[in-house]
Amino acid sequence: AQTVTQSQPEMSVQEAETVTLSCTYDTSESDYYLFWYKQPPSRQMILVIRQEAYKQQNATENRFSVNFQKAAKSFSLKISDSQLGDAAMYFCAYKQGGSQGNLIFGKGTKLSVKP
Amino acid sequence: EPEVTQTPSHQVTQMGQEVILRCVPISNHLYFYWYRQILGQKVEFLVSFYNNEISEKSEIFDDQFSVERPDGSNFTLKIRSTKLEDSAMYFCASSEAVVSLYNSPLHFGNGTRLTVT
Repeated sequence: AQTVTQSQPEMSVQEAETVTLSCTYDTSESDYYLFWYKQPPSRQMILVIRQEAYKQQNATENRFSVNFQKAAKSFSLKISDSQLGDAAMYFCAYKQGGSQGNLIFGKGTKLSVKP
Repeated sequence: EPEVTQTPSHQVTQMGQEVILRCVPISNHLYFYWYRQILGQKVEFLVSFYNNEISEKSEIFDDQFSVERPDGSNFTLKIRSTKLEDSAMYFCASSEAVVSLYNSPLHFGNGTRLTVT
């Protein structure tokens, strides 16, 4: 069975600095998708960034980028120029190709941003 | 921007009672999902629904659970006889198309916190 591990329960970053959140996953499949979701205190799960496993190029969305290491099964999220509004729980998620939306989530990393 | 809405935001029920959680997906979306998050734990997939039938479900989604799209806008999750361990945040989500095929993201609602006493 596929698993997703986030080894950092909590992280802290100074405003305007850069922080990297770790995620590793375990799968024997070659076709899959990876996601980072943000859950602010409002509780809504918001998609931050996504990566198709067949793409070698790392995904980027404005201040958010990933370091996708397929061989190492690692999918870290880098947040540059951190803002107060980035404070939230961040969940890494895996989805097997062919599955209809069955996302497997990690336990999450709580990110605090210090002014 | 259109969003998924869930009602109520918090529901308290007694053990053994039936509960229905309601969701209004984004109007042009075709795929619907329920997830749950027990306090302090992972978000877990329950079920996906397309074309008026369940397309995928997890081991958690046993006979106590059912889903329905009673009209053109609502998508409901029913728990027939609630147990203490059903206490969790329940998230509804929808997507425009199959997540894998068209890279269509899931849009989540704000969740319903279910407390079973």
